[in-house]
Amino acid sequence: KQEVTQIPAALSVPEGENLVLNCSFTDSAIYNLQWFRQDPGKGLTSLLLIQSSQREQTSGRLNASLDKSSGRSTLYIAASQPGDSATYLCAVTTGANSKLTFGKGITLSVRP
Amino acid sequence: NAGVTQTPKFQVLKTGQSMTLQCAQDMNHEYMSWYRQDPGMGLRLIHYSVGAGITDQGEVPNGYNVSRSTTEDFPLRLLSAAPSQTSVYFCASNDPFSGANVLTFGAGSRLTVL
Repeated sequence: KQEVTQIPAALSVPEGENLVLNCSFTDSAIYNLQWFRQDPGKGLTSLLLIQSSQREQTSGRLNASLDKSSGRSTLYIAASQPGDSATYLCAVTTGANSKLTFGKGITLSVRP
Repeated sequence: NAGVTQTPKFQVLKTGQSMTLQCAQDMNHEYMSWYRQDPGMGLRLIHYSVGAGITDQGEVPNGYNVSRSTTEDFPLRLLSAAPSQTSVYFCASNDPFSGANVLTFGAGSRLTVL
């Protein structure tokens, strides 16, 4: 059974800091990996999707990398801002049926 | 461009009552799914559908029924609500045949069972 782990559960950083959020998964036979953002009381917004054949994806200040062999992904946030404060979830799809297995998320707080 | 619409946003039920959470998408996505989110448990898949007339169970299907009569709609039914079903429910849709295959989530439905 696929398991996705995100550690730590919470992180607090000062504004302007570059930071890395980690995600690990137990079964390397994934179809793709997605990073989502969730604001309090809201739904999930997809940030980046990395196909199994890719090693990284970039969108603005966000860069996500994937190392299938080691079962790891990282989300890099450059020059963090208070508006980046949210919970970041990692999810993997094992197979083409699009069923996702989620990590429990990392709650990020960026202090002004 | 509405995306995925869930109703109701909030609902309070008594144990044993039944209700249906509605989910509709206007993106012509074949795949739709229901997740529940609980503190300390993350999001867990309840049921999913790969097209009209086709549904399957996810990780935590007990106590829930689904049907998919149209591409647009994927309602989730609670036949006899239990306090353990108190949670936030999210519906999602995606097109696995597109290059992106990004899941689009609804805003969520917060259910409390007393």
